Formats: sequence, C-alpha cells, structure tokens
Amino acid sequence: AQKITQTQPGMFVQEKEAVTLDCTYDTSDQSYGLFWYKQPSSGEMIFLIYQGSYDEQNATEGRYSLNFQKARKSANLVISASQLGDSAMYFCAMRERSGSARQLTFGSGTQLTVLP
Amino acid sequence: KAGVTQTPRYLIKTRGQQVTLSCSPISGHRSVSWYQQTPGQGLQFLFEYFSETQRNKGNFPGRFSGRQFSNSRSEMNVSTLELGDSALYLCASSLRGTSGGSSSTDTQYFGPGTRLTVL
Repeated sequence: AQKITQTQPGMFVQEKEAVTLDCTYDTSDQSYGLFWYKQPSSGEMIFLIYQGSYDEQNATEGRYSLNFQKARKSANLVISASQLGDSAMYFCAMRERSGSARQLTFGSGTQLTVLP
Repeated sequence: KAGVTQTPRYLIKTRGQQVTLSCSPISGHRSVSWYQQTPGQGLQFLFEYFSETQRNKGNFPGRFSGRQFSNSRSEMNVSTLELGDSALYLCASSLRGTSGGSSSTDTQYFGPGTRLTVL
C-alpha cells in the first residue's frame, strides 16, 4: 500500500497567488516526521519544511507552511505569494520511527508551474 | 557550512561495467543515505550508513553496495551495470541516524545527485 499519496501530478498557479499541494500518508506509528522537498529541473532535492507528529502547531518557514491534520493523516504544503522560481517538482516524504522503515518514503510528486 | 557534495555529477557507462559514486556529507553529519530516482519508480531508498555501519537497506539486488569511511564520506558501487540502472542517484546526510525519534535533527539534506546513464 502507498504510504505517501500525492494526488496532483501537476498544478498551475498564477504568480503572487497562494497554492496548496496535497499530501496524505499512511502509518500506524505514533511518532513520525513529515517533510516537503522541492526538486528543480537541476535535480537537487531542497528541504523546505518539517512537521513532527507530536508538534501541536503547524510548521511554517517563510512563504511555506504545512497544514497538518493528524486525524485525517494529511500534510498539505501551502506556498504563499508564488514566485516564478517556485516552479519545480514538490515531494512529500515521511520517516517513521519503528521497524525497519526508518528511511524517507516519498510520494510521487507534484509538478508545480507558476505562470507570469 | 558547505552542503552535501556528490561526485561525479554525470557518468556514462556501458552494460556490464561497474561504477563507484562518492558522497561527502555536511560537516558534522554522521548519517548518509542513498536514493535512486527514476521516472518509472520514483524515489527509492537504497541504503543508509551511520558511523561506518550499514543500518538499513532497501529492496535492491546485491549488485548495489556501499560503504562509509571514518570521516563519514560514503561511496556506493554498482557492479554489472544494466540498462535499468540509469537513474539519478541522490545522497543525503543527516545529523543523527534513524534509530532516534523523529525530530528536526533527523532532516535529510540532499546533494546535487549523480546522473548515471547506462548504454
């Protein structure tokens, strides 16, 4: 079964507008971390934001915020005031604590295009 | 602080050859993980090293191997290359290994990747 689901293969947003990228996850662990990464066409994975399963407040990092809904197992990324440089592939990832699945498990990604 | 570096950035090999990729983690980071990224399979975990010990391994054949040195630098080796090994190989480092709890110190920072093409 998919542990990380990103249902939007591609998204378009107008420059300066906000956009939400969806991510749902599946785990039976109580302790886990959720991550968002950005991958431009150059290939490098750039860390954006982290949310711990026990964190009560939604994480924010500059224009990025994570809408964490634990009961729904949802960790959506919100990018405010989109810029042309935000055009990239975005990956949601999870790291569980128990068992052998301690590596990052990635979703299939969402290709975001910011339109001028 | 310098980021994760990977060498070489690009590599072209032919089937049957072997290849060694190198990764230098962020200074002070002791955990290094390797991932393979392909259009068909997405990002898949290869293995993780912490303090020179392989702590976790993904579902890849034995042709894929790795090691970590005392300075935390890591290498991965692929022997008897196949066409399907063509991929972007990403290395990531983190401050702690994955045996601890999930916290911001376990965030993995990635290098620019090595793009391997097998002809």
